Amino acid sequence: LAKTTQPISMDSYEGQEVNITCSHNNIATNDYITWYQQFPSQGPRFIIQGYKTKVTNEVASLFIPADRKSSTLSLPRVSLSDTAVYYCLVGDRLAFGKGNQVVVIP
Amino acid sequence: IAGITQAPTSQILAAGRRMTLRCTQDMRHNAMYWYRQDLGLGLRLIHYSNTAGTTGKGEVPDGYSVSRANTDDFPLTLASAVPSQTSVYFCASSDSSDTGELFFGEGSRLTVL
Repeated sequence: LAKTTQPISMDSYEGQEVNITCSHNNIATNDYITWYQQFPSQGPRFIIQGYKTKVTNEVASLFIPADRKSSTLSLPRVSLSDTAVYYCLVGDRLAFGKGNQVVVIP
Repeated sequence: IAGITQAPTSQILAAGRRMTLRCTQDMRHNAMYWYRQDLGLGLRLIHYSNTAGTTGKGEVPDGYSVSRANTDDFPLTLASAVPSQTSVYFCASSDSSDTGELFFGEGSRLTVL
């Protein structure tokens, strides 16, 4: 069962790039890494998923080093509406973790 | 397309009462999940079902039961509610039990007095 570790919270100014890290030392060979975003009073929603190297979509980029024991979610030029809790999920859906509260400051 | 529908949105009930939280999806996903979310503890998996007719226990299954009679519905039952079950409950589904995007409902806020 792959467990994840993330910082509890972080602040960022509007317009900056935000990088959120996640440690998953026990990741299994066939595990994918998935990130979710959750706004208050809403269910989490999918942001991005990757297996290795780099994945980019219209919302974010996901960087995964060769050993796959960590990953970094990168949000370019954040706005106030990016204030949310971000979850890193590895492998099966058992270990969702506590997430990282990101607060974007004007 | 509705996606995942949860009911009720909010409920207050007395301790000892039986309660069923309903979850319906219209995406024909094989896998479905129930999570609870408590302040400071993140999302914790209660029960899951990889396909209709099968269920499994998650991280915090005690006090809860589920059934998966068909693909679309995955109700969560509290046989005898206790105050520690006060939480926000989220149902989710996915077309794969291993990978793929999880689709979440809007949650059911339950208060047990």
